[in-house]
Amino acid sequence: QITLKESGPTLVKPTQTLTLTCTFSGFSFTSSGLGVAWIRQPPGKAPEWLALVYWDGLKRYSPSLQHRLTITPDLSKSQVILTVTNVDPVDTATYYCAHHSESDSSLDYWGPGTLVTVSS
Amino acid sequence: DIQMTQSPSSVSASVGDRVTITCRASQGISTWLAWYQQKPGKAPKLLIYAASTLQSGVPSRFSGSRSGTEFTLTINSLQPEDFATYFCQQANSIPYNFGQGTRVEIK
Repeated sequence: QITLKESGPTLVKPTQTLTLTCTFSGFSFTSSGLGVAWIRQPPGKAPEWLALVYWDGLKRYSPSLQHRLTITPDLSKSQVILTVTNVDPVDTATYYCAHHSESDSSLDYWGPGTLVTVSS
Repeated sequence: DIQMTQSPSSVSASVGDRVTITCRASQGISTWLAWYQQKPGKAPKLLIYAASTLQSGVPSRFSGSRSGTEFTLTINSLQPEDFATYFCQQANSIPYNFGQGTRVEIK
């Protein structure tokens, strides 16, 4: 059974760095064709795709946010970490991690999400 | 970036109705499209991938189709548990953008 769960701060101040952790189980991240993605969703808005790390270490980022995002796998802990630098109130959102299937690029398993508020 | 234009933004329907939601890609994406259902306070749930392939466990009343750059999600015989918001997502090129969503409401 594949599960993912996000964790991190619920409140961060503007200009700070946000670090989120996705802890997963039920699959081997070193298996060919798999990846873990991060997506966020501001309240009342559509999801926004942020970043993806593949089983082979290849990383992909949203071009508009690439300069602020870093995605890092920690295979020893079955975790994928996302850092967002220089946060702003517009970064307030529910952040999700999801299992990415390379064969069809779908997001077939999602974590429950974690709401992050950026405010002073 | 590939933009996904989803319509309508909301639809009111009754149990038993057929509902159709459309997503248009700003450029060709072949069949690299997925549909998700989201209920309040929950994560999106994958319904359909590769434009028309039903995810395991999803009821057969959900179906997807493609005509060029236009994609359609059809819900036949709407059930009470289907009232939710639906999103399309292109999976052809980074960033894998989502549509704006369609809220299916009870009439």
